[in-house]
Amino acid sequence: SYELTQPPSVSVSPGQTASITCSGDKLGVKYSCWYQQKPGQSPVLVIYQDTKRPSGIPERFSGSNSGNTATLTISGTQAMDEADYYCQAWDSSTYVVFGGGTKLTVL
Amino acid sequence: EVQLVESGGGLVQPGGSLRLSCAASGFTFSNYAMSWVRQAPGKGLEWVSALSGSSAGTYFADSVKGRFTISRDNSKNTLYLQMNSLRAEDTAVYYCAKGWLTLHTFDHWGQGTLVTVSS
Repeated sequence: SYELTQPPSVSVSPGQTASITCSGDKLGVKYSCWYQQKPGQSPVLVIYQDTKRPSGIPERFSGSNSGNTATLTISGTQAMDEADYYCQAWDSSTYVVFGGGTKLTVL
Repeated sequence: EVQLVESGGGLVQPGGSLRLSCAASGFTFSNYAMSWVRQAPGKGLEWVSALSGSSAGTYFADSVKGRFTISRDNSKNTLYLQMNSLRAEDTAVYYCAKGWLTLHTFDHWGQGTLVTVSS
């Protein structure tokens, strides 16, 4: 079955750039997306089709996907960005796959 | 405004059954694939099942295949998840999620309903 691997945690100082990676076999040939989930809330789509932002998502959120790794980048990270982030992709045999999630701490 | 409201969660004994519902509004329900995604307490997201807008295509995670069925009533704008032979490991918050552009890009999520499987 297809798997996506994320680091359990990432820390960043306010105003700095946070990068969260997501690794999977030949992930670069699949479309990836990213979700943000704050405690007690439902997930929110922040990046789709590797690099696109839904309306209402701040420009500081960006994405890339190449080779075996997709990356979510948050530029000028703010305290409100502290949350869990999940990558997700589609595989023809496993269908919808989520990464294990990364807890982003802004300190 | 898109709204997804799940219901039907609760406490059920191992081996029991439960049916979840997701009432949708604010969009043309029949035009979009829908999914169920669950989250065990303190754990990550796990996709459970998906259904195309016309109900022609159904997809299940291996962990629920043969035990869960997904269906929809487009006349009632409602998605269902029938869960049979429930196990302790099925305990989770179950979210319904709307597909957008593709079956597997979820642009709207409900608030979730908690299913607890315990004796």
